[in-house]
Amino acid sequence: QQQVKQSPQSLIVQKGGISIINCAYENTAFDYFPWYQQFPGKGPALLIAIRPDVSEKKEGRFTISFNKSAKQFSLHIMDSQPGDSATYFCAASYDRGSTLGRLYFGRGTQLTVWP
Amino acid sequence: NAGVTQTPKFQVLKTGQSMTLQCAQDMNHEYMSWYRQDPGMGLRLIHYSVGAGITDQGEVPNGYNVSRSTTEDFPLRLLSAAPSQTSVYFCASRPTGESYQETQYFGPGTRLLVL
Repeated sequence: QQQVKQSPQSLIVQKGGISIINCAYENTAFDYFPWYQQFPGKGPALLIAIRPDVSEKKEGRFTISFNKSAKQFSLHIMDSQPGDSATYFCAASYDRGSTLGRLYFGRGTQLTVWP
Repeated sequence: NAGVTQTPKFQVLKTGQSMTLQCAQDMNHEYMSWYRQDPGMGLRLIHYSVGAGITDQGEVPNGYNVSRSTTEDFPLRLLSAAPSQTSVYFCASRPTGESYQETQYFGPGTRLLVL
């Protein structure tokens, strides 16, 4: 059973547009929601993360929106650029201080930004 | 710091051969893990370790073996390679503290082809 469901699988956006990637989860114990960015031939790297005690976190052009009641969170990329073309993964975890704290990943979204 | 390093970068195996994928980190992280990445499947956890001498299975452990004799190294062994193990393998590490500022760092990956 997939713990974190991510959509869409692929996304094509015009330069300057807004890219939106959505994720949903069922386990209410999750308390940490990071997004990872992966360029071709590279390992994933942390992009931005949020805790459930806030509804939004913004870092530059990247914003996470979090809806605790709906158990959904999304990544918004404003003013999308060709350099943002990559695969994006959402993830969730809980019990970070224990022997658990493993990350559960969505299946990824391949974003292409056309110039 | 070199971060998380993986060797080899590429490997071709014949069905039935065995090999070890190497992973090392120089950040003194207690938590290390192995993922495989397949198209449309995202990142799936194979095995993980919360410290030297402690390992546990992830969601796709069959056909793989791990050990953790030191904090720095976490090798992944393929006992008898099968074509279904053709994939890109990522090693990752992070501290096990409770701070939400701590992130998981990924290595550059090993691309494995089993013929």
